[in-house]
Amino acid sequence: ETGVTQTPRHLVMGMTNKKSLKCEQHLGHNAMYWYKQSAKKPLELMFVYNFKEQTENNSVPSRFSPECPNSSHLFLHLHTLQPEDSALYLCASSQDRGYGNTIYFGEGSWLTVV
Amino acid sequence: AQRVTQPEKLLSVFKGAPVELKCNYSYSGSPELFWYVQYSRQRLQLLLRHISRESIKGFTADLNKGETSFHLKKPFAQEEDSAMYYCALNAGNMLTFGGGTRLMVKP
Repeated sequence: ETGVTQTPRHLVMGMTNKKSLKCEQHLGHNAMYWYKQSAKKPLELMFVYNFKEQTENNSVPSRFSPECPNSSHLFLHLHTLQPEDSALYLCASSQDRGYGNTIYFGEGSWLTVV
Repeated sequence: AQRVTQPEKLLSVFKGAPVELKCNYSYSGSPELFWYVQYSRQRLQLLLRHISRESIKGFTADLNKGETSFHLKKPFAQEEDSAMYYCALNAGNMLTFGGGTRLMVKP
């Protein structure tokens, strides 16, 4: 499959669980991102990786832990989340972080914390 | 810090009517602006970007640096244009989104 693929598409987890979201891009891009989309707030940038190195952490709580083992894969590890963390988590990628690069999004992972 | 404002959360028009989705930004440097669209049950996707100066699906957007605006326009709305539209600013290699405007085109 081409583009940006996210799994799982839907996840329900308890506040004491540990789970992970996975993102894979088949575009040959070097930059990958995690965004959070909720009903109450606009799209919020969470993390940015460029050439596997984390370049942005937008004041995200430590209960969210990103991992980027290579330029094609990005994970978001989740533990001891709160109900207010329920949202759509979007992964995205771009060629790199330079001016003029288009960001491509995955379909998102719907997370519900109970 | 950069900011993007879309003042309308919902815009409802009839088919064939003109559409203008407003976007204002604040950024002290040279901005790069985009419009993204999210159709029902589909992923967020790029609609157009100001540096391309192109028309996509009949939509155009002109960057007005004096008014710090990047409004999205279409002369005749179609039902298939109904979607969520996000204006985004790439400033200093960080893409910031506005709150989004839901466009509903009624038959």
